[in-house]
Amino acid sequence: AQSVAQPEDQVNVAEGNPLTVKCTYSVSGNPYLFWYVQYPNRGLQFLLKYITGDNLVKGSYGFEAEFNKSQTSFHLKKPSALVSDSALYFCAVRDRSLGTGFQKLVFGTGTRLLVSP
Amino acid sequence: SAVISQKPSRDICQRGTSLTIQCQVDSQVTMMFWYRQQPGQSLTLIATANQGSEATYESGFVIDKFPISRPNLTFSTLTVSNMSPEDSSIYLCSVDRYFGPGTRLLVL
Repeated sequence: AQSVAQPEDQVNVAEGNPLTVKCTYSVSGNPYLFWYVQYPNRGLQFLLKYITGDNLVKGSYGFEAEFNKSQTSFHLKKPSALVSDSALYFCAVRDRSLGTGFQKLVFGTGTRLLVSP
Repeated sequence: SAVISQKPSRDICQRGTSLTIQCQVDSQVTMMFWYRQQPGQSLTLIATANQGSEATYESGFVIDKFPISRPNLTFSTLTVSNMSPEDSSIYLCSVDRYFGPGTRLLVL
């Protein structure tokens, strides 16, 4: 089964510094990977996805993610963090269940990002 | 991108009652997904709703507890039946990679 792991429960970074939120994946076949952000009392917002192509994927709000096949990682990055980036971040992988064709998403446990002024 | 709306946005319910959550999409889609996010937890898929067929439930979720309707290609409902405090969660509807705003349910 497809899965993703987010090894850090929380990441702290100072405003203006670069940030990285880590994600590793375990899949059979080609991975379809996603990043989402969840602000307090808000729904889940799609940031970016990797399906194929360039290993550096650019997304919303200045975020990008680097796909690394040899390390089975898909880390979320931003060159300069903002206080408003403080939120909960989820990595996810699309799971194509054998025999059904359904493409549900399997989520990591989430990483809380705290950006201090 | 798909625009997804959910009703209600939040509710407080008594133990033993049922709540039906509605999900409306601004375009026709084949598959709609219902997820649950328990407090402080990640998202877990409850079921996949295909128009014109029975919903497919994930392990640990059953139709009697979470009946789903899918009457057309833009609409679905999820009912949380015979609720207990353990059902207190955010319930999210999803289409492709997009999610609705969620329904925050508190069961007393």
